Amino acid sequence: SQQGEEDPQALSIQEGENATMNCSYKTSINNLQWYRQNSGRGLVHLILIRSNEREKHSGRLRVTLDTSKKSSSLLITASRAADTASYFCATSPRGNTDKLIFGTGTRLQVFP
Amino acid sequence: NAGVTQTPKFQVLKTGQSMTLQCAQDMNHNSMYWYRQDPGMGLRLIYYSASEGTTDKGEVPNGYNVSRLNKREFSLRLESAAPSQTSVYFCASRPRGDQHQTFGSGTRLTVV
Repeated sequence: SQQGEEDPQALSIQEGENATMNCSYKTSINNLQWYRQNSGRGLVHLILIRSNEREKHSGRLRVTLDTSKKSSSLLITASRAADTASYFCATSPRGNTDKLIFGTGTRLQVFP
Repeated sequence: NAGVTQTPKFQVLKTGQSMTLQCAQDMNHNSMYWYRQDPGMGLRLIYYSASEGTTDKGEVPNGYNVSRLNKREFSLRLESAAPSQTSVYFCASRPRGDQHQTFGSGTRLTVV
């Protein structure tokens, strides 16, 4: 399988805490993206980081990318109950920008 | 704008039956995709269409066919459904020059 791995598979935290999710992938990439999925719904794009970038911010989200280790992390700061969802990383393989390869996801539960 | 619309939302089939899952987008996107999502497996690409008139296999194409009817519509057909095709199916689209995908809300298919 080409799929990447995400770690942890599940994460439970209290509101106000930070949540960190990690993603490892297997091939050289053009970019790495993070998506969010609420239960029973479609995926929503959160943030994209290109292969020549090391860190990117968007609101309460911070993404890092280490291409030498083929890994990325997503940090959600000051989490809210509404952040409860599954989070997936997806990589765009170098040489084929038409495709995305998704990781297996992290289920985040934020308790009020 | 409706974005990406999938029909039906739910379907139960008997083994051996056929059906077509419909997907339409109203965002003038060039590329369209079909994924399946199984528990613990993340999303896996079935087929994609980089532009009107072209289709390509993804990671798990066996047992499926697709048609890019026009720029708006991309259908997925199961000719002879099998219980292993029980899954949630997502359609997505992407504009030329942009890397992130917009997803539909999914079709939950059960094959008995």
